[in-house]
Amino acid sequence: DVKVTQSSRYLVKRTGEKVFLECVQDMDHENMFWYRQDPGLGLRLIYFSYDVKMKEKGDIPEGYSVSREKKERFSLILESASTNQTSMYLCASSFGEDSGANVLTFGAGSRLTVL
Amino acid sequence: GQNIDQPTEMTATEGAIVQINCTYQTSGFNGLFWYQQHAGEAPTFLSYNVLDGLEEKGRFSSFLSRSKGYSYLLLKELQMKDSASYLCAVRDSNYQLIWGAGTKLIIKP
Repeated sequence: DVKVTQSSRYLVKRTGEKVFLECVQDMDHENMFWYRQDPGLGLRLIYFSYDVKMKEKGDIPEGYSVSREKKERFSLILESASTNQTSMYLCASSFGEDSGANVLTFGAGSRLTVL
Repeated sequence: GQNIDQPTEMTATEGAIVQINCTYQTSGFNGLFWYQQHAGEAPTFLSYNVLDGLEEKGRFSSFLSRSKGYSYLLLKELQMKDSASYLCAVRDSNYQLIWGAGTKLIIKP
């Protein structure tokens, strides 16, 4: 069974803390993505990566950074957490070909609360 | 701007049929996706449409009209396990996915 695993399902952090969200996929996918999901809004893309050590900004990169040192692992970093970053964070991966029914496989999500 | 509209919430009865609509305005079009997301779980892929018409997959069907910027997901013989959110997403001319806010479907016995 193919998997995208997010290491933490629930986190509670304080304002100003540095937060790491880890995502690992076992499907040898080239592409990896970080989204945030908030009530009443569509998924919003934070960052994505098409290859190891490559990263691209999505629609809402401010306040976030990412790291992709290995193909299977994509980390989201909040350098200094703020309350408006309280959200559900979803990691996803897909094969490299950016056409056709190239579907995303999602992790179960990490719900982050910043106090 | 780019926009995907879906109803926020729908209620249907077990065994019935429900149609979830999605309208879109995007910069170009390179396919439309439907995903299902049970509460607290990962979204999972349901269907993909790139040409006009109906795609059927078991109890689920998805329809696309590119000229109208419109799609629907049709669920037949509803089961309690179909209670979930249904997400519509369009791939634009840059091959980026634009997501709707999702439709929460409540199934009643």
